[in-house]
Amino acid sequence: EAGVTQFPSHSVIEKGQTVTLRCDPISGHDNLYWYRRVMGKEIKFLLHFVKESKQDESGMPNNRFLAERTGGTYSTLKVQPAELEDSGVYFCASSQFATRTDTQYFGPGTRLTVL
Amino acid sequence: GENVEQHPSTLSVQEGDSAVIKCTYSDSASNYFPWYKQELGKRPQLIIDIRSNVGEKKDQRIAVTLNKTAKHFSLHITETQPEDSAVYFCAARAASGGSYIPTFGRGTSLIVHP
Repeated sequence: EAGVTQFPSHSVIEKGQTVTLRCDPISGHDNLYWYRRVMGKEIKFLLHFVKESKQDESGMPNNRFLAERTGGTYSTLKVQPAELEDSGVYFCASSQFATRTDTQYFGPGTRLTVL
Repeated sequence: GENVEQHPSTLSVQEGDSAVIKCTYSDSASNYFPWYKQELGKRPQLIIDIRSNVGEKKDQRIAVTLNKTAKHFSLHITETQPEDSAVYFCAARAASGGSYIPTFGRGTSLIVHP
């Protein structure tokens, strides 16, 4: 079974530009999560989709971030315009259910560098 | 909201030694505590977890302990091997607006010297 995939693996952009990250969850997983890890810090929650609906977007830092999951399959996270502090590794995770103990499977991450 | 503190940030041991990573949490409603291992260049993977109704859980060379009263939990790795070298993240999970979103610690970089 294929795991969670993310594209691209790395992205280097200049401040003010736009970047779109993509996540393909494990097939059949209704729950999709976005996280971000800034160098040396914790993995921070951004938002949670259940199918195509945003269940919880309390972690989204500001309105420069837009996440979508049209059709309830893959998801995109767009940053527009990018700022220096947006640099970090963006992880996507998916789970079949959203229970207290359901395992979230992580993707390999996209390393975003904003210059 | 939940706050998870993780220590140490870096841990260097000799092969065969034991390694212990400690985490504390603030929200008494947290009741599930997973641990993730991220090897260099790879994805974080769940290695062990513990529920709040259990004090200890073991899986071969790794074990996790939980003290609910003190709100801390620890990962213990015995007979460390070079392939245990990785960044380890602890997390605490509680219900939040219909979701069970984990709050992660900052990670511990474990280096096992052969």
